[in-house]
Amino acid sequence: RKEVEQDPGPFNVPEGATVAFNCTYSNSASQSFFWYRQDCRKEPKLLMSVYSSGNEDGRFTAQLNRASQYISLLIRDSKLSDSATYLCVVNEAGSYQLTFGKGTKLSVIP
Amino acid sequence: GAGVSQSPRYKVAKRGQDVALRCDPISGHVSLFWYQQALGQGPEFLTYFQNEAQLDKSGLPSDRFFAERPEGSVSTLKIQRTQQEDSAVYLCASSLTGPNEQFFGPGTRLTVL
Repeated sequence: RKEVEQDPGPFNVPEGATVAFNCTYSNSASQSFFWYRQDCRKEPKLLMSVYSSGNEDGRFTAQLNRASQYISLLIRDSKLSDSATYLCVVNEAGSYQLTFGKGTKLSVIP
Repeated sequence: GAGVSQSPRYKVAKRGQDVALRCDPISGHVSLFWYQQALGQGPEFLTYFQNEAQLDKSGLPSDRFFAERPEGSVSTLKIQRTQQEDSAVYLCASSLTGPNEQFFGPGTRLTVL
């Protein structure tokens, strides 16, 4: 069974802190990787794709280690509005399915 | 522009009833996906359409679940003889093509009593 594992949290951090989320995936045929954000009782929204070389979008940095089958998301200078559940998502080569982790809940505290 | 819309937003059904959930994808999006999200879990893939063709239905949990997209736009997920374990949020997503960058609708929260 394809699996994506995440620490469920919750992560409670003060405003301005740096927080990192980790994710491991078991299917070595996975070829595309994403982080989605889901606010409470809302739909998931794409936060960023994750590329092999690592990529950054403002305060967010994503890393991929294919050898270890490990994905990370780093959030710098946390804002109250970053409070949400962060879902690690992988797609296997040749498949249309996205496989989601259970998500890591982040609460940024004033 | 308009995003993905779903209706109804909430549905309460008695065990054994049939339900139909509707999804209106973003105009022009070829790919449409259905997911089931139980409380505290990530979304689980149910089925995928490319235009009107259902290319993957491997995630449908039983033969009580049926999905269609007859004209390649609006899709309906039907659940027959609902059971309590069917209680979940049913999410629809669409993309221009393929599995990448999917846009999700707000979901239908189904409660089976």
